[in-house]
Amino acid sequence: ETGVTQTPRHLVMGMTNKKSLKCEQHLGHNAMYWYKQSAKKPLELMFVYNFKEQTENNSVPSRFSPECPNSSHLFLHLHTLQPEDSALYLCASSQEGELAGLNEQFFGPGTRLTVL
Amino acid sequence: AQTVTQSQPEMSVQEAETVTLSCTYDTSESDYYLFWYKQPPSRQMILVIRQEAYKQQNATENRFSVNFQKAAKSFSLKISDSQLGDAAMYFCAYRQPRRIFGNEKLTFGTGTRLTIIP
Repeated sequence: ETGVTQTPRHLVMGMTNKKSLKCEQHLGHNAMYWYKQSAKKPLELMFVYNFKEQTENNSVPSRFSPECPNSSHLFLHLHTLQPEDSALYLCASSQEGELAGLNEQFFGPGTRLTVL
Repeated sequence: AQTVTQSQPEMSVQEAETVTLSCTYDTSESDYYLFWYKQPPSRQMILVIRQEAYKQQNATENRFSVNFQKAAKSFSLKISDSQLGDAAMYFCAYRQPRRIFGNEKLTFGTGTRLTIIP
């Protein structure tokens, strides 16, 4: 596998279910991100992990719980979601540091989540 | 807070023609970074082109070029010789200055859907 991979690609869950999204990056990067992509809205940054430490939590409801066990893996644990949480969830990674300003973020293919 | 505005939700262009996608942003910083990302129907977002604000020269990548107008806070993307494979959503994004540790955040616009007419 190369780049950034995400599993599953599609997920349908009920409001009372617990599920997890997985992201893995094979690029040796030190920062990972979760974004939410809804129709006709800008990508919303949810969480940032830099050197495995969470550096940003963008006012995300507690029903979304991130986990970053190491610099290559990122999870998003989902619990008691609402129908409005249905969206495409994108993972990204980048190499961060003092001179990293121009470094791009590499994105995974996303998980299409539907909450019934 | 920084904002990025893409005022064209949809654009279309004839194959082999040139199209320009517009992007404006709001910031009080003098040094920052701008990006154009492409998201084809397969959904994987990929970088098209990037620009450092302190560089006056417009970035170019093959058929893709930008018109960076710093004073006007404008960062448009020009696609020359449009090809069917260029059909995608295009997102403009802004990044804060690198001097602030932990400022990895990208701020995205709402995107422009580009259709290529054969």
